[in-house]
Amino acid sequence: GEDVEQSLFLSVREGDSSVINCTYTDSSSTYLYWYKQEPGAGLQLLTYIFSNMDMKQDQRLTVLLNKKDKHLSLRIADTQTGDSAIYFCAEILGRLYFGRGTQLTVWP
Amino acid sequence: DTGVSQDPRHKITKRGQNVTFRCDPISEHNRLYWYRQTLGQGPEFLTYFQNEAQLEKSRLLSDRFSAERPKGSFSTLEIQRTEQGDSAMYLCASSLSSQGGGYGYTFGSGTRLTVV
Repeated sequence: GEDVEQSLFLSVREGDSSVINCTYTDSSSTYLYWYKQEPGAGLQLLTYIFSNMDMKQDQRLTVLLNKKDKHLSLRIADTQTGDSAIYFCAEILGRLYFGRGTQLTVWP
Repeated sequence: DTGVSQDPRHKITKRGQNVTFRCDPISEHNRLYWYRQTLGQGPEFLTYFQNEAQLEKSRLLSDRFSAERPKGSFSTLEIQRTEQGDSAMYLCASSLSSQGGGYGYTFGSGTRLTVV
């Protein structure tokens, strides 16, 4: 559970969709999470998905889970400049294990 | 309830000094966690409490680090004889064990430690 991997950077234009990808390590993780961190701030829970689900939609956010490949993605529709932040994927195995985070930059 | 509070927000200390950080979790949360985050990395688990009992400590938590949660409410994290490698953001989080995983952890804003 200690090798959650994410790509480090993503740049998109305002109004486009953003897709942030993550691979996790342990198929026994019951929940998987996406957290957002703005500069100098703590982590804010964005959304989560239970491991028996394939997809979860929450307003502009769509989470896709492929358990076979241990792959998780977060899609942000109509990305805004306020979405610029670091996004962390996390799995829970007794406690939360985080990836290194993906820095999302949104250009106007 | 205003969420998880951490104090101070920033701390600059000289190498070799001791520092102590405080975390006040959400009042009804029985679990409290400490994480450390260095630049360009995700948060790394240090330790966690259920009520006042410290149930797990990471190997990252050297003998210079000690954490307490004496009455099962607030917690303190002390670092003795600080080293430059201790410079990081120290994050506290809390959760309610009976809620299961769906609510995740609620994080505080962190304490930024700089050792000079």
